Amino acid sequence: EPEVTQTPSHQVTQMGQEVILRCVPISNHLYFYWYRQILGQKVEFLVSFYNNEISEKSEIFDDQFSVERPDGSNFTLKIRSTKLEDSAMYFCASTQGGEAKNIQYFGAGTRLSVL
Amino acid sequence: GQNIDQPTEMTATEGAIVQINCTYQTSGFNGLFWYQQHAGEAPTFLSYNVLDGLEEKGRFSSFLSRSKGYSYLLLKELQMKDSASYLCAVLTDYKLSFGAGTTVTVRA
Repeated sequence: EPEVTQTPSHQVTQMGQEVILRCVPISNHLYFYWYRQILGQKVEFLVSFYNNEISEKSEIFDDQFSVERPDGSNFTLKIRSTKLEDSAMYFCASTQGGEAKNIQYFGAGTRLSVL
Repeated sequence: GQNIDQPTEMTATEGAIVQINCTYQTSGFNGLFWYQQHAGEAPTFLSYNVLDGLEEKGRFSSFLSRSKGYSYLLLKELQMKDSASYLCAVLTDYKLSFGAGTTVTVRA
């Protein structure tokens, strides 16, 4: 069964460093998302992406964050200068479009630890 | 803003039925989703309601009343593997807004 894959599964970084989290959405999906979940808290929307541009972003998604689809398969989230409070689980999700477009399928996540 | 409420915890016995309620107040509505999340893992899609009524899918059923801003997830014939967090989420425009999740513990 097709799935969303994310790498790495765990990323440890020093405060102030840049990180890039990578995602390969399901191959025929057209809409892509990033969410995060701080330990013990709820899942929070960061950004949605369609047709090579951001569709919507939350207040969390400030100038330190950016997304990119550099080729036909990868979808990346970059955090330019990490802060301690960026430590969280980051989930990538994708949807197909059409009648099934609203069902978002999630990857296994990248646990980001900022020291 | 989006306000999605669900109970924090529920406990039930193996083989029993549990109903997890969710109430929501959101700006816009394009559907209500239920996801299952085991600790440290990704949310896994369970069900999706966009119209009022009951959607049945094996041991899991989900109900929606848009006029009341209310949904529930019904888990029947509980198994130990159903111990997990169950997330209620509302789709508005392009994004899902999640509740805090209900931790269900199934006891033998």
